[in-house]
Amino acid sequence: QITLRESGPTRVKPTQTLTLTCTFSGFSLIFSGVGVGWIRQPPGKALEWLALIYWDDDKRYSPSLKSRLTITKDTSKNQVVLTMTNMDPVDTATYYCAHETVRTGAFDVWGQGTMVTVSA
Amino acid sequence: DIQMTQSPSSVSASVGDGVTITCRASQGISRWLAWYQQKPGKAPKLLIYAASSLQSGVPSRFSGSGSGTDFTLTISSLQPEDFATYYCQQANSLFTFGPGTKVDIK
Repeated sequence: QITLRESGPTRVKPTQTLTLTCTFSGFSLIFSGVGVGWIRQPPGKALEWLALIYWDDDKRYSPSLKSRLTITKDTSKNQVVLTMTNMDPVDTATYYCAHETVRTGAFDVWGQGTMVTVSA
Repeated sequence: DIQMTQSPSSVSASVGDGVTITCRASQGISRWLAWYQQKPGKAPKLLIYAASSLQSGVPSRFSGSGSGTDFTLTISSLQPEDFATYYCQQANSLFTFGPGTKVDIK
């Protein structure tokens, strides 16, 4: 059974850097064809894909946020970490991590999400 | 960048009704299209991948079709638990979600 759980601060100040951790079980990021992505959702708005890292350490980023994002993995801890620099109130959202397979391109298992508020 | 649009943005329907949601990509994405259902306060749930493949455990009243730029999600007979927001997502070039379609009770 695949599970994912997001963790990190619930509140950050404008201009600060956000660091979120996705801890997963039921699969490993050492096996071919697997990826873990980050998706966010501002309150009352649509889903927005942010970044994804593959088993082979290939990394993909949203073009509009690429300059602010870094995604890394720690296969020994079964964790994926997303950092987002220069946070702004418009970045207030629920942040999700999710399991993805190259074969389908779909996010088939999601974490419960973590709400991050950006305010002074 | 590939942009995704959905129509309608919202639809009101009754239990037992059939509902069709359309998703359009700004350029051809072959069949790299997924559909998700999201209920308030919950994470999205994958319904359909590869445009028409039903995810394990998803009821057969959900079906998907299309290729290239135009896709549809059909719910054949709405059940009370189907009132939710539905998103399409492309995976042909990076990933992009559509703006969502809210299905609510008439």
